[in-house]
Amino acid sequence: EAGVTQFPSHSVIEKGQTVTLRCDPISGHDNLYWYRRVMGKEIKFLLHFVKESKQDESGMPNNRFLAERTGGTYSTLKVQPAELEDSGVYFCASNPSREVQAFFGQGTRLTVV
Amino acid sequence: GNSVTQMEGPVTLSEEAFLTINCTYTATGYPSLFWYVQYPGEGLQLLLKATKADDKGSNKGFEATYRKETTSFHLEKGSVQVSDSAVYFCALSDRGSNYKLTFGKGTLLTVNP
Repeated sequence: EAGVTQFPSHSVIEKGQTVTLRCDPISGHDNLYWYRRVMGKEIKFLLHFVKESKQDESGMPNNRFLAERTGGTYSTLKVQPAELEDSGVYFCASNPSREVQAFFGQGTRLTVV
Repeated sequence: GNSVTQMEGPVTLSEEAFLTINCTYTATGYPSLFWYVQYPGEGLQLLLKATKADDKGSNKGFEATYRKETTSFHLEKGSVQVSDSAVYFCALSDRGSNYKLTFGKGTLLTVNP
């Protein structure tokens, strides 16, 4: 069974540009979460999808971040326009309903210069 | 709200030394507790978990016991190896927050031969 897959693994963009991160969860997992780790700090929750619906987006830092999960399968996280403070590692995780354990992807390292 | 406080590193040990990484938590409900590990160049992996008080999670020689009375979940290993060098994250989740994870800041462990 394939695990959680994230694309790209690394991205370097200039301030003001747009970047789209993608996450493919484990097939059949209704729950999909996005997290971010800014350098040296804790991993912080961004948002949670249940199927295609946003269940909780309380961790989204501002309106430059837009997440979608069309059809309840893969998800994208777009940052537009990117700022220097957006640099970090973005993790995606998924799990089935009522499952305590979350399965993580490899993460996308975003560097804004 | 929920929070996790973990011992900040970096921690440097010699091979075969004893390891303890302290973790305490604050939660409003009855959380599940986790240790995640990130090896160099890799994504987050679940190391072990405990879902109720007095449970002991164990994996790869690592152990942690869910102590409700002290709100702690300290990670221990009796004899570390060079291959254990990684960043270790303590985390919790609960049903009230739809199982989103709250992480500690992470502890970088380096084991020297």
